[in-house]
This record gives sequence, C-alpha cells and structure tokens, in this order.
Amino acid sequence: DAGVIQSPRHEVTEMGQEVTLRCKPISGHDYLFWYRQTMMRGLELLIYFNNNVPIDDSGMPEDRFSAKMPNASFSTLKIQPSEPRDSAVYFCASSTSQVPDTQYFGPGTRLTVL
Amino acid sequence: AQSVTQPDIHITVSEGASLELRCNYSYGATPYLFWYVQSPGQGLQLLLKYFSGDTLVQGIKGFEAEFKRSQSSFNLRKPSVHWSDAAEYFCAVGARAAGNKLTFGGGTRVLVKP
Repeated sequence: DAGVIQSPRHEVTEMGQEVTLRCKPISGHDYLFWYRQTMMRGLELLIYFNNNVPIDDSGMPEDRFSAKMPNASFSTLKIQPSEPRDSAVYFCASSTSQVPDTQYFGPGTRLTVL
Repeated sequence: AQSVTQPDIHITVSEGASLELRCNYSYGATPYLFWYVQSPGQGLQLLLKYFSGDTLVQGIKGFEAEFKRSQSSFNLRKPSVHWSDAAEYFCAVGARAAGNKLTFGGGTRVLVKP
C-alpha cells in the first residue's frame, strides 16, 4: 500500500490567500484525521471523519478553516483567508473502523504564510 | 477526557547507552496506548502499541514499553541507542468511547551524542 498521501508537501503563500491541503487515506480506512503541528502548541487534532462524516471539529481554530471529505479516498483542509499564524505542518492520518486501531500518518504539508 | 504527559521535553543520551522515555496518562478505564517516533521533516511512525494482554510490548527498532496500570504509565525503553534514534517521540492514548481518536503528549526530543 502507498500509505497516506498528502499534497502538496510544501506550500508558501501570502497572507489573505486561500490554501487547500489534500489527503488520500489508505484504501479501506474509514477514519480520517487532520492534525496541525507547531513548536508552540505541539500536535493538535483539528477534525476527524468517520465514513466521510465529520465527527468532531472542536479543534478547528476558527471559521477560516474548513474540511471536507467528499468520498472515502479524498479529503481537503481549506484555509481562507490564510494568516501568518497558520504557518505549521499539517498532517493527515487514517485508520480502519476497528476500535482500537493504529493511526497511520502521512508525510505532512509544511505551510508557510508570509 | 483522557490526557497524556511526557515530563521530559529534551533528553540527551550517549550512543550505546540505554534510553527511557516517560509517559503518564489520565483515563478512567483501560486505555489504548501508543508510542510514535518522528524524524526531522517526516511524519509520525508507529513504534509500538498496547491494547490488552501482556503489559510488556515489543516494537520496531529494538524499542519496548511497559504498561503499569498502578502508576498510569507507559514508559518507552531501548537498551542501547543508535545515532539514528535521534528524533522526537510521542506518547498517545485512546479510548473505546472516542473511537480511534487519540490524545498526544507534548513529545520528547532525543539527542544522541557520539
């Protein structure tokens, strides 16, 4: 299996621009998680989906952030408008619906907002 | 709600020496426990996990961890570290009621001296 795939790996944008991060989970996995990692706040869970349905979005910082999962093999995390404080590494992870199960992480997207 | 504490932010160890990373969790029922490793610029890779049964679990790269319910701990150990073990290590806890959602500790950065 190819593992969790994220794109782009690096994104540099200017404040106010829209940013879209993409994730393809491992085939057959029903859970998908979006995390943000910063030096100051560590690893934070932003939102997670089960069978394409958002289950918990309490970690989403504010209305500028939105996430969708239109089908089982694709999810997006969008920031509009972006701000410098959004600069971070964003990870996507997936797992099966068996509880408990391991979360498998993608390589991350390093976002820099100038 | 569950929580995880990794008391040591940084640890420096000499190559060939033993390593122990501490992890304390807070959760009322039997937790699911994980250790992940993150090398610079990489995503998180699972080292080992505890779901039930034998409280001493073996993982990849020569790591092991022991679940001690009485101490609410799940410490990670390696008898002899290699320079390639320099990385950041994260302990995480999950709970059946939370599906496969995990709560991560703040991480411990390990530096290996030659």
